[in-house]
Amino acid sequence: GNSVTQMEGPVTLSEEAFLTINCTYTATGYPSLFWYVQYPGEGLQLLLKATKADDKGSNKGFEATYRKETTSFHLEKGSVQVSDSAVYFCALSDQSDSWGKFQFGAGTQVVVTP
Amino acid sequence: DAMVIQNPRYQVTQFGKPVTLSCSQTLNHNVMYWYQQKSSQAPKLLFHYYDKDFNNEADTPDNFQSRRPNTSFCFLDIRSPGLGDAAMYLCATSRGLETSAIYEQYFGPGTRLTVT
Repeated sequence: GNSVTQMEGPVTLSEEAFLTINCTYTATGYPSLFWYVQYPGEGLQLLLKATKADDKGSNKGFEATYRKETTSFHLEKGSVQVSDSAVYFCALSDQSDSWGKFQFGAGTQVVVTP
Repeated sequence: DAMVIQNPRYQVTQFGKPVTLSCSQTLNHNVMYWYQQKSSQAPKLLFHYYDKDFNNEADTPDNFQSRRPNTSFCFLDIRSPGLGDAAMYLCATSRGLETSAIYEQYFGPGTRLTVT
């Protein structure tokens, strides 16, 4: 079945540092890939997505590229802010398996200090 | 703004006392989902509705039920809450479920349930 593996957190960074959160996946078909962000006490917000190989999703300074050859979708941001402190979830959805049900990774907590 | 709304944001109930959580959406989406999220974990899908078609995940306890009286509203009923049901409950919507497209899910802010 499908699965998503994320790097464990917490990831602690200083403001303006470079952020990378690794995400790899296994899928039976050709999934779409997503990054969601969850701020404390809130629901999940879609951060970015990519629907096919080599697509790059980007939003709010975050980027991730769909790499089919390495089955990865790593999230990056060049200069983080304290307001980026949150939990980040990588997810996939594959309509060839389980009607397109979302499979979430375990989440990676990011803490940015001033 | 079109959105997913959950009420209440915080709910306290007693062990064994039925509780209902509500979700409404102004997105006019066909699909509505209920997830359970425990601390520091990924959301766990409980069930979803595609229009009026109800789909239960195989491992969702019978204690959890859902109703969708119309396109805009969906309810989560916990018939006899146990201490292990304390969690954040997230409602989400998506435009559809098709073989030709995958639609992102839009989440509400969640209801944090405490069981005393």
